[in-house]
Amino acid sequence: DAGVIQSPRHEVTEMGQEVTLRCKPISGHNSLFWYRQTMMRGLELLIYFNNNVPIDDSGMPEDRFSAKMPNASFSTLKIQPSEPRDSAVYFCASRMEGYSSPTDTQYFGPGTRLTVL
Amino acid sequence: AQKITQTQPGMFVQEKEAVTLDCTYDTSDPSYGLFWYKQPSSGEMIFLIYQGSYDQQNATEGRYSLNFQKARKSANLVISASQLGDSAMYFCAMRDKAGGSYIPTFGRGTSLIVHP
Repeated sequence: DAGVIQSPRHEVTEMGQEVTLRCKPISGHNSLFWYRQTMMRGLELLIYFNNNVPIDDSGMPEDRFSAKMPNASFSTLKIQPSEPRDSAVYFCASRMEGYSSPTDTQYFGPGTRLTVL
Repeated sequence: AQKITQTQPGMFVQEKEAVTLDCTYDTSDPSYGLFWYKQPSSGEMIFLIYQGSYDQQNATEGRYSLNFQKARKSANLVISASQLGDSAMYFCAMRDKAGGSYIPTFGRGTSLIVHP
C-alpha cells in the first residue's frame, strides 16, 4: 500500500520566491497534518485538516503561509514570499480519525527539505 | 506545561543490550493514545508502537515494548537486543482531546546511539 506521498523531496529556492509543497495522504484517511521540523524548535504542528476542512491553523507562523485541501487526496502548503528562516523539513502526515478510534495512528510522509537562500 | 516530556536528550547503549527511553505525559482526558516514532538519519518518521489509555496490557511490537504506568503518567519505550540500525531519534507522542480536537503532541525526542 502506498504511504503518504510528498513532493518535492528537496527544494532550494531564493528568498522572496513562492514555494509550494504537495501531499497525497493515505487513501481512506480523513485527517491531514502539516508539520515543520527544525533543530531549534523541534517538530511543530502547522495546520490540521479533518474531512478537508481546516480545524486548527494556530501553528501557521504568519500570513506568508497558507494551506489548502481541495479534496481528500491532495493538500498543498504554500509559502509566499519565502524567507531563509523558513528553511526546515516539512512533513505531511495522515490518519483515520473516527469517533472511537483506538489506534488513530498518524503516518508520516518522507518530508520535504526546504532551503531558502 | 509540557504535555510530553522526554528528559533524555541522548542515550548510548551497547549492541545487543536493552535500553529504555523515558517519556512522561500530562493530560486530564481519560481517553488518550500514546505513540512512539523513530527518525533515523535519513529523516523519515517511522511509527513504532501504540498504547491506548484503556489498554490493560503493555503494547509490544517485536523488539519494542511500551512500559505503560498509568498512575505515574509514564510511557517508556523499551528496545530489547539493540542493533546498530536502532541508532536514531525517538519521539514520544500523545493524542488526547484537547480543545475538542484529537491533535497529537510530540516530545522533543531522544537521540539513541548504539555502539558495536
